[in-house]
Amino acid sequence: LAKTTQPVSMDSYEGQEVNITCSHNNIATNDYITWYQQFPSQGPRFIIQGYKTKVTNEVASLFIPADRKSSTLSLPRVSLSDTAVYYCLVGENQGGKLIFGQGTELSVKP
Amino acid sequence: DAMVIQNPRYQVTQFGKPVTLSCSQTLNHNVMYWYQQKSSQAPKLLFHYYDKDFNNEADTPDNFQSRRPNTSFCFLDIRSPGLGDAAMYLCATSRGDRGIQPQHFGDGTRLSIL
Repeated sequence: LAKTTQPVSMDSYEGQEVNITCSHNNIATNDYITWYQQFPSQGPRFIIQGYKTKVTNEVASLFIPADRKSSTLSLPRVSLSDTAVYYCLVGENQGGKLIFGQGTELSVKP
Repeated sequence: DAMVIQNPRYQVTQFGKPVTLSCSQTLNHNVMYWYQQKSSQAPKLLFHYYDKDFNNEADTPDNFQSRRPNTSFCFLDIRSPGLGDAAMYLCATSRGDRGIQPQHFGDGTRLSIL
């Protein structure tokens, strides 16, 4: 079964742009790529979703190449409050499982 | 304005004693999910309801059951909790196809087993 993989952790400083990449080699044809943010003792919160190319909202951008085998979440000018775990979620076309990446723990320092 | 509400936030039960976790939603979404999340791990889907249709993940133990009496409520029953079932249990909802629509999560119930 194909895996959805992300870096385990990343460090950044306030004001920097952070890019987190998720690899999903076996994404289902009709499935979207969704990114969530999770703080301790809370449920994940929706950040952004896309199917292909680029999507931008008020908090992030999502870049998806033509083959859709990966995606990159871009957080512009991070602040201390962006310290959290970030998950990508995609469908798997073998068995149709819905699988979270293992999460990237982002630490933003002053 | 909580939209997916999980009760209780913390639950303690004894080894082998049945426990029920509850979830309610005000979004009128037709899909409801239950996830298990252990410390420092990603959420793992246990099952989901698409309207009244129950969909169990292949690797979900038989010890875990679910009920959805109406659109707004969904329950997770653990028939004989073991120590390995201690985890955060997350409920989520979405408007439609699970691969396409964003999910809205509650803040979870943290289950401890004595």
